[in-house]
Amino acid sequence: AIQLTQSPSSLSASVGDRVTITCRASQGINSALAWYQQRPGKGPKLLIYDASSLESGVPSRFVGSGFGTVFTLTIGSLQPEDLATYYCQQFKSFPAPTFGGGTKVEIK
Amino acid sequence: EVQLVESGGGLVQPGGSLTLSCAASGFTFSNYWMTWVRQAPGKGLEWVANIKKDGSEKYYVDSVKGRFTISRDNAKNSMYLQMNSLRTEDTAVYYCARDSVFGVEYFQHWGQGSLVIVSS
Repeated sequence: AIQLTQSPSSLSASVGDRVTITCRASQGINSALAWYQQRPGKGPKLLIYDASSLESGVPSRFVGSGFGTVFTLTIGSLQPEDLATYYCQQFKSFPAPTFGGGTKVEIK
Repeated sequence: EVQLVESGGGLVQPGGSLTLSCAASGFTFSNYWMTWVRQAPGKGLEWVANIKKDGSEKYYVDSVKGRFTISRDNAKNSMYLQMNSLRTEDTAVYYCARDSVFGVEYFQHWGQGSLVIVSS
């Protein structure tokens, strides 16, 4: 099974900071990667698909990049409402997708 | 507007059974694969099972094979997860998710979740 390792597992940053989260796959997955935001007590929300495509309605400060085994999610200017846990997910291995362990983002 | 509403969660004893439902609206249900994802308390997301548009293909994570059954009723725009022989490690919030238009890829829409607690 393809494993995804996210880093860091948590971070604390100030409003306006640039934040980067990394997701590493145990084998190459081309661009078959998505990113989700999960706010406290809520279901996940799709942010990015196909590694770098922005889901409709998602603010442009969220940027995804990467190919193969290393991917990043960057929040260009952190906002208070970005307090959440972020997960990557690969969909290269049909029919069983896997998720990274999550990165909890806190606001200083 | 796409809506997914889970129901049927609750407290059940180990070895017991429970059936979750997911009611879908706002899209043509029969055009999409559907998926169950769970999240144990304080933990990350785990894919549980998915089902093809017409119900002809079903897949499960190894830990639930033989115990859980995924199904759908396209006439009722609903998906189900029958859970038997429940274990304490099945305790989680169970989310219903709609796959992308391209099939088993990313999950474009999620429900609010249904909490299942397995405890004596």
